[in-house]
Amino acid sequence: GQNIDQPTEMTATEGAIVQINCTYQTSGFNGLFWYQQHAGEAPTFLSYNVLDGLEEKGRFSSFLSRSKGYSYLLLKELQMKDSASYLCAVYDSNYQLIWGAGTKLIIKP
Amino acid sequence: DAMVIQNPRYQVTQFGKPVTLSCSQTLNHNVMYWYQQKSSQAPKLLFHYYDKDFNNEADTPDNFQSRRPNTSFCFLDIRSPGLGDAAMYLCATSRDQDGSTDTQYFGPGTRLTVL
Repeated sequence: GQNIDQPTEMTATEGAIVQINCTYQTSGFNGLFWYQQHAGEAPTFLSYNVLDGLEEKGRFSSFLSRSKGYSYLLLKELQMKDSASYLCAVYDSNYQLIWGAGTKLIIKP
Repeated sequence: DAMVIQNPRYQVTQFGKPVTLSCSQTLNHNVMYWYQQKSSQAPKLLFHYYDKDFNNEADTPDNFQSRRPNTSFCFLDIRSPGLGDAAMYLCATSRDQDGSTDTQYFGPGTRLTVL
């Protein structure tokens, strides 16, 4: 079966750095996405990785290792508004998007 | 601004009473998706359209139907809502399905309550 694993919940302090990990086992790989979802709202696109390495976009960075089936989302200079769920999703060989259940990130002052 | 719009944002229906949720897009994307998402769970794909080609997920109940009358609009019909169908329904679009341009963009969602 296809599976994406993420921690259920993480807590971090305002101004700090947090890394949210994602591991995947899918039938093929055509890219990995990170989405942010605030409570009661729709997911919004954060990043896309298809090649190994780090993609940086402002305070957010995303890393991919295809050989390890592993990605992380790195959030720097955390702000209270970063409190949200972060969902990892992978396009499999059929370009079907396989979703993780998301990591709820709680930011404390 | 180009966007994905869903109406209504909140829908209340009675057990067994048909309901229709709507989605429109100004992105001119080829693909439109309907997802069901329950609290603290991953979005679950119900079906998608590539242009006019309908693709139903194997485990989507027959109670759920969809229509795409044109490029811009897509509807989700729930013929006889049950209590277990209460969820957030998300519409998403993507330009295509075969490359890095195919990020899915989501509408704000419709939260369905079944009484």
